[in-house]
Amino acid sequence: AQSVTQLGSHVSVSEGALVLLRCNYSSSVPPYLFWYVQYPNQGLQLLLKYTSAATLVKGINGFEAEFKKSETSFHLTKPSAHMSDAAEYFCAVSGEDSSYKLIFGSGTRLLVRP
Amino acid sequence: DVKVTQSSRYLVKRTGEKVFLECVQDMDHENMFWYRQDPGLGLRLIYFSYDVKMKEKGDIPEGYSVSREKKERFSLILESASTNQTSMYLCASSLLERTKNIQYFGAGTRLSVL
Repeated sequence: AQSVTQLGSHVSVSEGALVLLRCNYSSSVPPYLFWYVQYPNQGLQLLLKYTSAATLVKGINGFEAEFKKSETSFHLTKPSAHMSDAAEYFCAVSGEDSSYKLIFGSGTRLLVRP
Repeated sequence: DVKVTQSSRYLVKRTGEKVFLECVQDMDHENMFWYRQDPGLGLRLIYFSYDVKMKEKGDIPEGYSVSREKKERFSLILESASTNQTSMYLCASSLLERTKNIQYFGAGTRLSVL
């Protein structure tokens, strides 16, 4: 069965520091992978997606993620954190048994210190 | 822009009440989803629908039912609300095709069952 593991339920960085949010997946088929962001009291918004084209994917707000098949990872990075990046981030993989479903990780809350 | 609208942001209901959560999307998407979001558990799929009057159980369908009479509207029904159904409920929609499987989310309904 597919699964997504996000290491660290909370990550704290200083403003201007590198952001690294970790995501590992398991899938028996070539995966489609997604990162979503949830700001307080809002729904989820797509940051970026990987669908078997370039392994380095650029998203909105300066975020990017690299697909590494050998490591089954899809970590999210941003070179310089901004206060407005404080939110919860979810990694997701597209389901094997259906083209529609997404399997989500448990989420990582990013805290940005001034 | 895709818009997914959930009828209520906050609901307070009593144990045993029948509860309806409504979701409407305006982009003619075939797929619609209902998720439940709880701290530390990420998003868990309750039900999804890939066409009018079609539905499939997700990972946690017990205690819930759904209705999709029109393509743009997907309702989640709690037949007899219980306190363990206190949670954030998120609706999403997407196109049918896997390569375009970006899910768009509503702002969520925070349900409290007393």
